[in-house]
Amino acid sequence: EAQVTQNPRYLITVTGKKLTVTCSQNMNHEYMSWYRQDPGLGLRQIYYSMNVEVTDKGDVPEGYKVSRKEKRNFPLILESPSPNQTSLYFCASTFLGQSNEKLFFGSGTQLSVL
Amino acid sequence: QKEVEQDPGPLSVPEGAIVSLNCTYSNSAFQYFMWYRQYSRKGPELLMYTYSSGNKEDGRFTAQVDKSSKYISLFIRDSQPSDSATYLCAMSESYTGANSKLTFGKGITLSVRP
Repeated sequence: EAQVTQNPRYLITVTGKKLTVTCSQNMNHEYMSWYRQDPGLGLRQIYYSMNVEVTDKGDVPEGYKVSRKEKRNFPLILESPSPNQTSLYFCASTFLGQSNEKLFFGSGTQLSVL
Repeated sequence: QKEVEQDPGPLSVPEGAIVSLNCTYSNSAFQYFMWYRQYSRKGPELLMYTYSSGNKEDGRFTAQVDKSSKYISLFIRDSQPSDSATYLCAMSESYTGANSKLTFGKGITLSVRP
């Protein structure tokens, strides 16, 4: 089954404790992206990647890191989480150059930073 | 003015009603217009996609784009309880192959009462 898999689904942590949210897709997509979704603010892009070893900042990259060492994986790293990073996070992927803009989203990771 | 504005909702309608969901935008360079549907505790999924102005119909759903007014709409006919979800409009200047950013509206939550 074609899918984007995020782990974990729920995560509660404390300020300053490094964490990684994993994202993996099995559709051979070149493009992958991370979003956060907050009430009243909608979906905002954190980072995106056009291919292996090619990453770039989105609208809200502060406090986050990403890496793209393999085509299928695009982990999101929070080196020193803070309470303002409490949010619902989504990973998404698609083929490059596709005209229908169909982003495939994971099921989300609900992060709480205490 | 925000780049994409979407009616905040929530919206509650009886089963069988015609639903109209709307977004306005300020960036005249937007050419690709999408509607994503997000069920509770799930990631968004592409519902409708339209390039430039015009209408597109898919079953009970019709997407409408008026570039002269910078206004897009999603119409749902004969609404069903299974249509209860959050609907997000999204738009971009080009497709992902051209490194174009997808800008989302904040989303509106629709509830269809049996």
